[in-house]
Amino acid sequence: KAGVTQTPRYLIKTRGQQVTLSCSPISGHRSVSWYQQTPGQGLQFLFEYFSETQRNKGNFPGRFSGRQFSNSRSEMNVSTLELGDSALYLCASSFRLRGLIYGYTFGSGTRLTVV
Amino acid sequence: DQQVKQNSPSLSVQEGRISILNCDYTNSMFDYFLWYKKYPAEGPTFLISISSIKDKNEDGRFTVFLNKSAKHLSLHIVPSQPGDSAVYFCAARGIQGAQKLVFGQGTRLTINP
Repeated sequence: KAGVTQTPRYLIKTRGQQVTLSCSPISGHRSVSWYQQTPGQGLQFLFEYFSETQRNKGNFPGRFSGRQFSNSRSEMNVSTLELGDSALYLCASSFRLRGLIYGYTFGSGTRLTVV
Repeated sequence: DQQVKQNSPSLSVQEGRISILNCDYTNSMFDYFLWYKKYPAEGPTFLISISSIKDKNEDGRFTVFLNKSAKHLSLHIVPSQPGDSAVYFCAARGIQGAQKLVFGQGTRLTINP
């Protein structure tokens, strides 16, 4: 079955702009979570969506938001970009079983550079 | 606070020998642990996982050991191959609140021919 697809792979934006990243999970997986990887902070949880609802949110400012569509595809948006938002953004595709999340298959990521 | 720690930033092992990567955690509510392998600018690739009700899980050359009393897990790779050279992350999931993965900082493994 197809893996997790993230688009675009690379993105360069200017400070103050906004950006939208996309993630298509594995077919049948209804949970999508987003992570940010930076050299200084490592891999940090942003948020998780399940059945079009945000279930959990990490410790990131409100400039970071997301949504999930009925086909389980998810988008994350970052508004008013700052230099510190430069990072590799990863999404993980998962399934829920008896309320617990399993799977956690990652996409290749989107490398965002803010200049 | 760093709930998952990989205290060795790097590890160098000779091809054919055993690679042992270590991970410590502080949160006793973690119930599921995973190991990932990662290359630069790519997403983590899942290797192996273990539930907190087990103390060992094996998949081919990869074995993960969990010591709950010590809050310690390790990944053994036998035999090590040049293609194993990458950064390895351990991750833990809690069952309460956000079921997010909490990652360690990673260990860079280099397999020398």
